[in-house]
Amino acid sequence: GESVGLHLPTLSVQEGDNSIINCAYSNSASDYFIWYKQESGKGPQFIIDIRSNMDKRQGQRVTVLLNKTVKHLSLQIAATQPGDSAVYFCAENINNFNKFYFGSGTKLNVKP
Amino acid sequence: EPEVTQTPSHQVTQMGQEVILRCVPISNHLYFYWYRQILGQKVEFLVSFYNNEISEKSEIFDDQFSVERPDGSNFTLKIRSTKLEDSAMYFCASSRQGRDYGYTFGSGTRLTVV
Repeated sequence: GESVGLHLPTLSVQEGDNSIINCAYSNSASDYFIWYKQESGKGPQFIIDIRSNMDKRQGQRVTVLLNKTVKHLSLQIAATQPGDSAVYFCAENINNFNKFYFGSGTKLNVKP
Repeated sequence: EPEVTQTPSHQVTQMGQEVILRCVPISNHLYFYWYRQILGQKVEFLVSFYNNEISEKSEIFDDQFSVERPDGSNFTLKIRSTKLEDSAMYFCASSRQGRDYGYTFGSGTRLTVV
């Protein structure tokens, strides 16, 4: 089956620094990816998405990079703030609106 | 901002009992989903629902599970005879355009089976 995994289960950064969260996926047929943020006691919250015909997409303070050659996805957060502390999941979709496959999650700790 | 609302936030039930988890999706959304997250594990797809029928389900979603949209606003997940391994956080989600822009998730119902 599809496999989505994360390299770093916990990431600690200083407030104001940039954060990079990584994700590996195994299914080359995946054509749509989303990064979700999950704060304690809440459901996953959409951050940014990217389609497989792109290699970079920017949002507000966030950038997602997609490297299809090595099946790698990353989320960059600029000027990380305490409010960014959460668990971040990547999720992949294969030309199918019905379901996403989620990764294991990376916990981001932002130190003031 | 529109929200997906789930009730209850926490449900404790005895093994073998039936539970119904309730969700109110965003009003103009057409696609509805249930996912679950066992403590410390990945978020897993259970079922998707569109046009008043199940469009896809995972191998987890066996005969003990059912979904229903009893009226124009609620979307429910029923577990007929709960098992200890059903203990998890259950998330309802909805979307207007299918997968695009992801889904809006509710805050979840923590189900504890004892």
